[in-house]
Amino acid sequence: AQKITQTQPGMFVQEKEAVTLDCTYDTSDPSYGLFWYKQPSSGEMIFLIYQGSYDQQNATEGRYSLNFQKARKSANLVISASQLGDSAMYFCAMREPVNTDKLIFGTGTRLQVFP
Amino acid sequence: KAGVTQTPRYLIKTRGQQVTLSCSPISGHRSVSWYQQTPGQGLQFLFEYFSETQRNKGNFPGRFSGRQFSNSRSEMNVSTLELGDSALYLCASSLGVGDYRNSPLHFGNGTRLTVT
Repeated sequence: AQKITQTQPGMFVQEKEAVTLDCTYDTSDPSYGLFWYKQPSSGEMIFLIYQGSYDQQNATEGRYSLNFQKARKSANLVISASQLGDSAMYFCAMREPVNTDKLIFGTGTRLQVFP
Repeated sequence: KAGVTQTPRYLIKTRGQQVTLSCSPISGHRSVSWYQQTPGQGLQFLFEYFSETQRNKGNFPGRFSGRQFSNSRSEMNVSTLELGDSALYLCASSLGVGDYRNSPLHFGNGTRLTVT
């Protein structure tokens, strides 16, 4: 069965520093997609970044990058130059099979950025 | 381009009642999926609709149902509400076709349902 594991319930980071949020996954399907979403206190899930299992390079989107290690089944999110507005819950999710919109979510990591 | 719109934002219902939530996807998106978020169970997939047909279903009782209209708008209905149905219900839309690998789900703000 597919599973996403986020082992960090909470993380603190100082403004302008980089932070890594961990995500490991388990699947037997060779074709899958991995997502990171940000959920502020307002409740909306904001799409951040996507990594496909066959993508050769690690995904990047502005200050967000994904450290994808396929053999270790990990897809860690790196946020560079943290901002106060980055304080939120962050969820890692997997789409499997790839031709559906069923996402399996992890339990999330609450990131708090302090001045 | 307008995002995913969910109405209402907040809802308070009594046990035993039924409720209908609405979701309007991003223009051009044909797939709509629904998720339930609770502190205890986290985010769980309810169901997915594409071209007015249910394409996938999560592990929820039959009290939870949904439908999609020809304009891709979707509704979900919960009948005979229970206290445990209190949750944030999130709707997401995607293109639903083509290269899924580059087709992220875009979520709405959610409907927060409280059952008393």
